Amino acid sequence: EIVMTQSPATMSVSPGEGATVSCRASQSVSSSLAWYQQKPGQAPRLLIYGASTRATGIPARFSGSGSGTEFTLTISSLQSEDFAVYYCQQYDYWPPLTFGGGTKVEIK
Amino acid sequence: QVQLAESGGGVVQPGRSLRLSCVASGFTFNNYGIHWVRQAPGKGLEWVAVIWYDGTNKIYADSVKGRFTISRDNSKNTVYLEMNSLRAEDTAVYYCARAGVAAAVQVGYFEYWGQGTLVTVSS
Repeated sequence: EIVMTQSPATMSVSPGEGATVSCRASQSVSSSLAWYQQKPGQAPRLLIYGASTRATGIPARFSGSGSGTEFTLTISSLQSEDFAVYYCQQYDYWPPLTFGGGTKVEIK
Repeated sequence: QVQLAESGGGVVQPGRSLRLSCVASGFTFNNYGIHWVRQAPGKGLEWVAVIWYDGTNKIYADSVKGRFTISRDNSKNTVYLEMNSLRAEDTAVYYCARAGVAAAVQVGYFEYWGQGTLVTVSS
């Protein structure tokens, strides 16, 4: 099983600032990496797939990078609606499909 | 627009059974694989099972293998999750999610999600 590790677990950011969330895989997943956003009481929403391709309707302030075992989600200028929990997920080698533990981005 | 709607959750005693449904609309249902993903209260996401677009292949997480069964009825645009021998650790919100690529379930990311249904296993 591929283990996905996210850091940090929680980060405090002021609106308008940028934020970077990291995700590490226990073995290479090539570019088979997705990012999701989840707000309280809501289902997750796909942000990024293929490590760097934005999903339909996702604003350009969200970007993904990386390959192999190291990945990054960057939010260039946080808006109020961006405060949420973010998860990475690998789909290179499965079953099982595996998620990181999540990073909570909270208002500073 | 793509919509997925889960139903069938509730409170059930340990060892009992429950069947969840996921009704889809807004896309060609029989072209896409459908997954179930769950989230225990206050915890992260855990993939549960997937069924191929034509129902020919089904894969399960080890934690539910032998207890849960995924199936689909393409005439009703519906996927089911039959859950038997339920345990306290199965307590979670269960989401159905559509695969990202038509007829390519091996590309295992989740493009659209339902709102989830809560299953509570408790005596």
